[in-house]
Amino acid sequence: TQTVSQSDAHVTVFEGDSVELRCNYSYGGSIYLSWYIQHHGHGLQFLLKYYSGNPVVQGVNGFEAEFSKSDSSFHLRKASVHWSDSAVYFCAVSATGNTGKLIFGLGTTLQVQP
Amino acid sequence: ETAVFQTPNYHVTQVGNEVSFNCKQTLGHDTMYWYKQDSKKLLKIMFSYNNKQLIVNETVPRRFSPQSSDKAHLNLRIKSVEPEDSAVYLCASSLQGANTEVFFGKGTRLTVV
Repeated sequence: TQTVSQSDAHVTVFEGDSVELRCNYSYGGSIYLSWYIQHHGHGLQFLLKYYSGNPVVQGVNGFEAEFSKSDSSFHLRKASVHWSDSAVYFCAVSATGNTGKLIFGLGTTLQVQP
Repeated sequence: ETAVFQTPNYHVTQVGNEVSFNCKQTLGHDTMYWYKQDSKKLLKIMFSYNNKQLIVNETVPRRFSPQSSDKAHLNLRIKSVEPEDSAVYLCASSLQGANTEVFFGKGTRLTVV
């Protein structure tokens, strides 16, 4: 069984600050990890994903995430946030193979204050 | 730019009624999904189709039934809605399974009164 844990329900930072959104997963096999963003009233949008290779992956809009097998983590980071980054961020896991489902964490609401 | 189109955007109905939601993707993807997002933003997979074949059917009440006419369309019908069905229903698609980027529609917000 795959599980995804996002320990912070809400994170508040100021514009220009750096931010890290935490994600931990539990799964015994080979998996894909990804992050999605959801702005208010919209569907989810893909940010980035990891399967293998360089543990630091780059995504859109300056986001990056780092995979750690030892910590079972895939934290999302941004060096300098903008007010438009305010949204809900979801970490997700899917098993390798032609699977039909993403398992999402509960989401972290990021609020960027001016 | 949205390439997964859902209709309607909102729907308010009474307990016991039947509703249908439509979803179309113009990306040429093989896999389509329905997710339910509750008021706390929790996302749960309901159904997945690959090339019109059902591949994921989570523990969903039998009043929910997906309908796939072709690879580009995946509709969702709910017979006799219940108050707990109030949620946002998100349709999505991906090229080949959930390990490729998944594209989501804007959702259909269902309110059952």
